[in-house]
Amino acid sequence: GENVEQHPSTLSVQEGDSAVIKCTYSDSASNYFPWYKQELGKGPQLIIDIRSNVGEKKDQRIAVTLNKTAKHFSLHITETQPEDSAVYFCAASRGAGGTSYGKLTFGQGTILTVHP
Amino acid sequence: KAGVTQTPRYLIKTRGQQVTLSCSPISGHRSVSWYQQTPGQGLQFLFEYFSETQRNKGNFPGRFSGRQFSNSRSEMNVSTLELGDSALYLCASSLMSGNQETQYFGPGTRLLVL
Repeated sequence: GENVEQHPSTLSVQEGDSAVIKCTYSDSASNYFPWYKQELGKGPQLIIDIRSNVGEKKDQRIAVTLNKTAKHFSLHITETQPEDSAVYFCAASRGAGGTSYGKLTFGQGTILTVHP
Repeated sequence: KAGVTQTPRYLIKTRGQQVTLSCSPISGHRSVSWYQQTPGQGLQFLFEYFSETQRNKGNFPGRFSGRQFSNSRSEMNVSTLELGDSALYLCASSLMSGNQETQYFGPGTRLLVL
């Protein structure tokens, strides 16, 4: 089955710096890659996603890049703020059908701490 | 639009008991997926329901089951609870169970098994 590896497991940055989190996936049929932010006591919140026909997507301070050949994708957060501190998860899924319906395979998470 | 709601938010049970968790998806969403989140195993897929049918199932024992009602609300049940079932149980809804559908998560139900 699909396996998603996420690095680093913890990341500490100063306010205003950039943060980069990387994920690799094993299933070449995966074609959808969302990123979630989870704050203490809350469920994961979608922050950005990318589909396999796109190499890069940006939304204000957040961007995601996808390299299908190398089977890895990355989250970039610029001008970090203390409120960006949370656990970030990458995930991957393949198209619908068979064992694919509704299934996201998650990375192990990155604890991001932004120091004021 | 209201988000995904889960009840109860917290539960304490003892080994051997059973538990039922409830999930109400975003209005209009027909697909509900369930996940178990633990510090050791992370987020793991349990199963997915669409139009009252289980379409997909993860690698969990048969003690874990679920169902979906005609209004798309879903329940999951864990029978004969074990200590290792202590976890945050999350449900996520999406419009359809189709290709590359965005999933929106609820706040979760935290289950503690003593």
